[in-house]
Amino acid sequence: AQSVTQLGSHVSVSEGALVLLRCNYSSSVPPYLFWYVQYPNQGLQLLLKYTTGATLVKGINGFEAEFKKSETSFHLTKPSAHMSDAAEYFCAAGPKLTFGTGTRLQVTL
Amino acid sequence: EAGVAQSPRYKIIEKRQSVAFWCNPISGHATLYWYQQILGQGPKLLIQFQNNGVVDDSQLPKDRFSAERLKGVDSTLKIQPAKLEDSAVYLCASRGRSYNEQFFGPGTRLTVL
Repeated sequence: AQSVTQLGSHVSVSEGALVLLRCNYSSSVPPYLFWYVQYPNQGLQLLLKYTTGATLVKGINGFEAEFKKSETSFHLTKPSAHMSDAAEYFCAAGPKLTFGTGTRLQVTL
Repeated sequence: EAGVAQSPRYKIIEKRQSVAFWCNPISGHATLYWYQQILGQGPKLLIQFQNNGVVDDSQLPKDRFSAERLKGVDSTLKIQPAKLEDSAVYLCASRGRSYNEQFFGPGTRLTVL
């Protein structure tokens, strides 16, 4: 069975600092990988996805993630955090979507 | 293009009562999903429809949960009777031709007292 692990349920960064949210997956076959963002009282919005091809994936709002097969990781990064990035972030692995438990990102002044 | 619509947005009921949620997917999307998201956890798939047929309901508690998608468009999810542990956000998602890109609705937050 596939599983997704997100390290750190809460991450706090200063505005302008690097954002790094960690995700590791467990699968015998490289899966499809996704990052979703969830703002309060809203549904999930797709940030980016990896299916095949280039391992560095760029998404919306300046986020990107790199698929590293050797490390079974798909960490999410953003060079400079903005206050509007404060939200819950979920990593998921497909084809049958299995979600991690989420990481709440807090951005401070 | 309109997104996935869900109603109601919030529902408070007492245990042992019944409740139903409604979902209208993005027009033309053949695949529809219902997820349960308990506070502090990621969404968990309850059921997947392809048009009006069930593809996967392996994690649906069938003794109390039921879902249907008549005519292959709108869908309803029902809980009867509700338990305290059913308190969660119920998310509906739909997918079109783009493989595995699911679009989520805003969810229905259920509180069972």
